[in-house]
Amino acid sequence: GQNIDQPTEMTATEGAIVQINCTYQTSGFNGLFWYQQHAGEAPTFLSYNVLDGLEEKGRFSSFLSRSKGYSYLLLKELQMKDSASYLCAQSNNNAGNMLTFGGGTRLMVKP
Amino acid sequence: DAMVIQNPRYQVTQFGKPVTLSCSQTLNHNVMYWYQQKSSQAPKLLFHYYDKDFNNEADTPDNFQSRRPNTSFCFLDIRSPGLGDAAMYLCATSGGTATEAFFGQGTRLTVV
Repeated sequence: GQNIDQPTEMTATEGAIVQINCTYQTSGFNGLFWYQQHAGEAPTFLSYNVLDGLEEKGRFSSFLSRSKGYSYLLLKELQMKDSASYLCAQSNNNAGNMLTFGGGTRLMVKP
Repeated sequence: DAMVIQNPRYQVTQFGKPVTLSCSQTLNHNVMYWYQQKSSQAPKLLFHYYDKDFNNEADTPDNFQSRRPNTSFCFLDIRSPGLGDAAMYLCATSGGTATEAFFGQGTRLTVV
C-alpha cells in the first residue's frame, strides 16, 4: 500500500474550524487529493495539491508539504451538512499514478 | 447531468451466481477505474483501464474480471460471488493518470 494515514474520526461544532491531517509516502509522489464522501454515496472531489502551499476554495482549504509527506484539509464555518467522511488520496508513480485512498476521516458536526 | 453512470444502484445476487455491474461515462476520459469499498473502509482499487490497456492490481482476486468494449463503457464481472464480496463498487474516470477522478454513484452489492 501507499501508507496513507489520517485520523479515523473527528468531532467539531457548527460554525467552528476543523483541520484534518493526512500523511503519505513521499517516494514517487505525484499529487494529493481530498474527497468528501457522505454515507452511502460516491466520493466527490474537493481539492488537488501537487506543489507546496495552501489552496483555498471557499470554506475549504488544502495544504501540502512535500518534504514532510503531509497534507491537511481545513474546513471553516462548519455546517451540519459537512458531516461526512473525508478521504485523502495520493497519486504515486510507484503505483502507476493511480489514486490510492486512505481510510478516511469521519467528521461529525454537532450543533 | 450525471457524467459517470452506474447500473444498477443496488444489486442482490445469490452466492456463487455470476453477476455483472456496468458503468458508462459521457466524459470521453481515457482512464476508467473499479474500486471496491466495504463499510467504513477506504475504496480499494481493483483494476483500471488506460484506453484499452488493462491493469490488474496484484491483490485483486481472480474472481473479479473486467471488460471495456469501448471508451464509454466498462463492466465488472464477478464470476462466483462470495459473502465477502458484498460491498459498494465504485466506478470512476479520469482524463489521465494523476488527475482528478470522477465517481459514479456506486452499486451496492448484496450476496445472499
